[in-house]
Amino acid sequence: LAKTTQPISMDSYEGQEVNITCSHNNIATNDYITWYQQFPSQGPRFIIQGYKTKVTNEVASLFIPADRKSSTLSLPRVSLSDTAVYYCLVGGPNTGNQFYFGTGTSLTVIP
Amino acid sequence: GAGVSQSPSNKVTEKGKDVELRCDPISGHTALYWYRQSLGQGLEFLIYFQGNSAPDKSGLPSDRFSAERTGGSVSTLTIQRTQQEDSAVYLCASSLEMGPQPQHFGDGTRLSIL
Repeated sequence: LAKTTQPISMDSYEGQEVNITCSHNNIATNDYITWYQQFPSQGPRFIIQGYKTKVTNEVASLFIPADRKSSTLSLPRVSLSDTAVYYCLVGGPNTGNQFYFGTGTSLTVIP
Repeated sequence: GAGVSQSPSNKVTEKGKDVELRCDPISGHTALYWYRQSLGQGLEFLIYFQGNSAPDKSGLPSDRFSAERTGGSVSTLTIQRTQQEDSAVYLCASSLEMGPQPQHFGDGTRLSIL
């Protein structure tokens, strides 16, 4: 059973890099890790997905250490519009295609 | 193309009534997922479909909950004899296929049980 935990909240100034970590100690082989952004009254929006090492796309990077027991979402140069709740999601075929969201991190970007 | 569409966006009903929530996935997506989001429980996985098949229903909170998917497209989540603890936002997502594919979410149905 993959229990995923995250810091409840974080504050950052505009223009800074933000790193949000998710702990998933019981991650199963072949589980993959996905990060989402959620604004009030909207569904989660996909940011990035990975299995191991580092993945980068146009909006974020995802760092996954060799033991895969945690993952870190990195947002470069945040802006006010990045104020949202960020969730990690862990799951895949080895856990019966069940998926476990993290507890969510509320990021507030300060001018 | 269009994203995942859920209806109704809001539903208020009396305790004991049955409710049906609908999800229209992105066209061509074979995998479909239901989640529930509530203040006390966070985001909770309920069930997934691969095509029309739901191999594992153990995530459904009780036997009052059921889900089906027909024609590999639209899915409905039905809650019978609603209770106040069923109040939550019910989210649907779809992905191109099962496996390491991004899940694309709708904006949910906010269900309030009076």
